[in-house]
Amino acid sequence: EAGVAQSPRYKIIEKRQSVAFWCNPISGHATLYWYQQILGQGPKLLIQFQNNGVVDDSQLPKDRFSAERLKGVDSTLKIQPAKLEDSAVYLCASSFDQPFGRLLTVNEQFFGPGTRLTVL
Amino acid sequence: QQPVQSPQAVILREGEDAVINCSSSKALYSVHWYRQKHGEAPVFLMILLKGGEQKGHEKISASFNEKKQQSSLYLTASQLSYSGTYFCGTNFQNYGQNFVFGPGTRLSVLP
Repeated sequence: EAGVAQSPRYKIIEKRQSVAFWCNPISGHATLYWYQQILGQGPKLLIQFQNNGVVDDSQLPKDRFSAERLKGVDSTLKIQPAKLEDSAVYLCASSFDQPFGRLLTVNEQFFGPGTRLTVL
Repeated sequence: QQPVQSPQAVILREGEDAVINCSSSKALYSVHWYRQKHGEAPVFLMILLKGGEQKGHEKISASFNEKKQQSSLYLTASQLSYSGTYFCGTNFQNYGQNFVFGPGTRLSVLP
């Protein structure tokens, strides 16, 4: 079974430039997450999709970050314009979560290899 | 609101045991444990959904005390391969949102 795919693996840009990351989750996984992991810290959730709808984007800096998941499969995360403090690893994860009415049990998350972003 | 992990770091000799704690001031609905090796993505270890639940994975087990709002990860007879950073993660409600990882505990197992 193929895992979560991400590209590019590395990206170096200058501040104020824009950048986009792509993620393809495991087939059949309805839930997709984007995390930002700064060196030495735990992953921080930026946005969570359930199919093509947003479940949680409370920590997404919406003035510069945007994400979409068209057709409920792959997803892109964009930063425009980038700042120095955006230097981090951007992780995409997916999970097969079981909705039951309003409830949603969060199951095992499968992570992609990540994209290491360096903003100069 | 991020869960708290302790200790921040621990160094062990191969074959020794370790305990990593995860606690929160808010009620926990579930606790997840992941291990991340340097330069790699986090890898799932286990989920605990109910208070009092305990699970095991090889020589790694965990418990979840719902009343104390804390979980502990037990590593028994540690192996070199156990080295890495351990994260607990949780969502504070059962609607699947607001998943939060703790700051991590760095575990180093020496020969």
